[in-house]
Parts: sequence; structure tokens; C-alpha cells
Amino acid sequence: DAKTTQPPSMDCAEGRAANLPCNHSTISGNEYVYWYRQIHSQGPQYIIHGLKNNETNEMASLIITEDRKSSTLILPHATLRDTAVYYCIVRVSGNTPLVFGKGTRLSVIA
Amino acid sequence: GAVVSQHPSWVICKSGTSVKIECRSLDFQATTMFWYRQFPKQSLMLMATSNEGSKATYEQGVEKDKFLINHASLTLSTLTVTSAHPEDSSFYICSARGRDPSLGTQYFGPGTRLTVL
Repeated sequence: DAKTTQPPSMDCAEGRAANLPCNHSTISGNEYVYWYRQIHSQGPQYIIHGLKNNETNEMASLIITEDRKSSTLILPHATLRDTAVYYCIVRVSGNTPLVFGKGTRLSVIA
Repeated sequence: GAVVSQHPSWVICKSGTSVKIECRSLDFQATTMFWYRQFPKQSLMLMATSNEGSKATYEQGVEKDKFLINHASLTLSTLTVTSAHPEDSSFYICSARGRDPSLGTQYFGPGTRLTVL
């Protein structure tokens, strides 16, 4: 079972920042937070992951609360091509596979 | 880097026939590969995990004799759907992870859409 809770859908205006929340209140100390997205009829795309520190890459920023019970994925300047289902997943790094929940359907609106 | 390919991208077959789907890691060695399937408007469901050179581990409810998985090399895994039926119609997606388990990142193929008539 997925260990995360995400809103089922969100809208964002093109050019604005998209902030996608994720609750993972039962996260263990050795579990990472991973974010993937799936554009319609494609395979999931890796975005970013983190353990406890905030992370940033060319795609997004990941903000993890100090108690690690929630996190936020930030797309700084959303474009129409960012319309997708975004999945927040917690797992122990290593041999366990990713288990997908229902994710958040982000619609970027012109 | 970290590109995973699948072939074919889509396939239509008659009920009762078998279909093979290939998954390749193009620029890294995949010690572990995963197979998922996704029905319309649903999330990805893990079917099985395979490590190079060993038998696949199937999730509960997935028939190992129906979904044959071979992971014979560090860059290739195949999924064969045997005696396919219309209820097997789905989007099949493979995923691969590299040799360093501490990284843990899985990379996904583009998926194969199977339609069984």
C-alpha cells in the first residue's frame, strides 16, 4: 500500500510556480521521498528525491519538513508540458521497488 | 543518461496467442528490472521484480506461468504474456535500476500498449 497522501488534482496557471504537497506521516528514518511524473500514455519520469535536506535540480525543488512528515514539490515556472500525474513515493533506498499511489493530476492552464 | 527502451510500443494480438515485450537499459547496467502494468485511469501496479541471472519474484495475484519474465543480461529483460486474453489488455511498463543500490533510482521505459482482441 502507498504510504503517501496527495490531493487528487490541482490547477496551476502557466508561468506560475506549482506547489504539490505530499503527506507521509509514517515515514521511517531510512526512507527517502521520491517524486515521479507521468505524462499521458508515457512511462513515469524521475524528477527528484531526498532524505531530509531540501533538494534542487534542473527540474524542480523538493522541500521536506523538519519532522519529515510531509514534503512539497515545487515546479518554479510551470509550462503546459508539465501537465501530468505527479507521484510522491517513500521507500528505503536499495532493493525495494517503487510502489505507486494515485498521485496528483496537475493541469497547467494557459 | 539512464535511458530505458521498450519494444514494441504497441501491439495488437488475437486471443490465445503469446506476446513478448522487450525492455533494454541503453546506457547503464540494470542489475534489477521491474515490470508494471497500468489499466485505464488507474495507477501503476507492480507485477514482478527480476535480478539478472535469477528467477523473477512475482507480486501476489500475478500468475508466473502466464507472465514469463527473463532477465538474461544486464541490459535486457523480456516479459512474455502467454495465451493472452482480452482482460490482459493493458499498458505494460518496465523499469530498471543500476548496480549501485544506494542510489535506488528507478528509470522507466516508455511503455507498451497491449490490446488483445
